[in-house]
Amino acid sequence: DSGVTQTPKHLITATGQRVTLRCSPRSGDLSVYWYQQSLDQGLQFLIQYYNGEERAKGNILERFSAQQFPDLHSELNLSSLELGDSALYFCASSVDRAGTQYFGPGTRLLVL
Amino acid sequence: AQKITQTQPGMFVQEKEAVTLDCTYDTSDQSYGLFWYKQPSSGEMIFLIYQGSYDEQNATEGRYSLNFQKARKSANLVISASQLGDSAMYFCAMRRTLYSGAGSYQLTFGKGTKLSVIP
Repeated sequence: DSGVTQTPKHLITATGQRVTLRCSPRSGDLSVYWYQQSLDQGLQFLIQYYNGEERAKGNILERFSAQQFPDLHSELNLSSLELGDSALYFCASSVDRAGTQYFGPGTRLLVL
Repeated sequence: AQKITQTQPGMFVQEKEAVTLDCTYDTSDQSYGLFWYKQPSSGEMIFLIYQGSYDEQNATEGRYSLNFQKARKSANLVISASQLGDSAMYFCAMRRTLYSGAGSYQLTFGKGTKLSVIP
């Protein structure tokens, strides 16, 4: 158990809908990363937050957004969902901006 | 830009034997970190081992060791005494370090190697 929690574990929804994925980092970790894992794209970095502030953006679509709250948990919002958004979404946390990243169990999203 | 290449899509190893998973990387940074993660069929990503680019010794963690050859830009994972529970996908990843200057510290992953341990 990495200490990073993600909810829900599974999510099934329809095209056009909006979902929110939640992540709680390890105790003491200030940095949160979101990654998407799909069969065709592999593991791709989406966005990073450090102590509540956005630090870096990767291949994140405009339909996706995220935030990190004062208690350091983070949420990834996916809207206007398409079939191609079906993937495993990971949250990872590290103690600082460049520490080892520990991953949560992931949220498996299926868009029908 | 950073790039990770894992050329072995799948590998088989006999139980109790050692196995080497290949990873080569490309970066213009002088300071960087290399990681290996394990992803069992259940889906979680498990951190295995880390090697810093300035570390003189190869990293070891239990049965895992990282064969780091900086000049060849390779960071191969060696698993000794394979166990059935080692069957999983293994991902090599790279991240720049704080000494590389301002910027982000996301991981760049390879496509992974699927390891199957045969009883």
